[in-house]
Amino acid sequence: GAVVSQHPSWVICKSGTSVKIECRSLDFQATTMFWYRQFPKQSLMLMATSNEGSKATYEQGVEKDKFLINHASLTLSTLTVTSAHPEDSSFYICSATGQGRSPLHFGNGTRLTVT
Amino acid sequence: QKEVEQNSGPLSVPEGAIASLNCTYSDRGSQSFFWYRQYSGKSPELIMFIYSNGDKEDGRFTAQLNKASQYVSLLIRDSQPSDSATYLCAVTRTGNQFYFGTGTSLTVIP
Repeated sequence: GAVVSQHPSWVICKSGTSVKIECRSLDFQATTMFWYRQFPKQSLMLMATSNEGSKATYEQGVEKDKFLINHASLTLSTLTVTSAHPEDSSFYICSATGQGRSPLHFGNGTRLTVT
Repeated sequence: QKEVEQNSGPLSVPEGAIASLNCTYSDRGSQSFFWYRQYSGKSPELIMFIYSNGDKEDGRFTAQLNKASQYVSLLIRDSQPSDSATYLCAVTRTGNQFYFGTGTSLTVIP
C-alpha cells in the first residue's frame, strides 16, 4: 500500500528554537498533504492543507507565521515550528493523498516536546 | 451540524463477538468513505474504504454504506483484544477535503 514517511518520529527542543518536520510520500505522488496535531486523548485537529507548488491553507486559529509549511514537490512537504514554546508540545501528524478518490495515508507522526 | 458524527463510546465487546461501529454524515453529495484505526499514541492507519452502496468485506472487516440514510458502518467479526483502538470515520466530497469524525473508542475484553 501507499507509504508516507515522516521524520523525525520524536524531537525534544528548547523553548525559542525552531523544529522542522519532514513528510514524504514514498510510492505515490501526493497532490495534497495535510498537517494535523493531536493532544492526548483528543481528536485530530487539522492545521493546514497544502498543494504542491501552492501556499498552504491554514485552519482558523493556526498561526501561519509560526507553523511554516512548504510543499515544494509532489513527494515532500515540511512543517517548521518556529520559536517553539512548551504549549506547542504535541503529536504532529502529516498525511497525503493522490488524485481522484485516493484515500488519505498518514505518516507515523512526530512527538514534539518543547522544554 | 457536524460533517461527520460518530458515537464516541466507549464501546466494549467480548472477545470473539462482532463489534459494530457507526458513522453518519451530513452532506448528501459525499462520495468516498473511509475507516481508520488509531492505537493510543500512534497515527491513524487506513482499514477500509467504500465508494458504492452496499457491503465491502476484507477479512474480518466489513464496511457498509447506505447513501440514502447517510450512514456508513464498520463491522469487525471475531473481535480480538488487538482490535482495541479508536476508529475514525472519514468522508470526502469532490476534491481532496477529508472530514473526520471524532472517533469511537473500542475495547475488546478477553
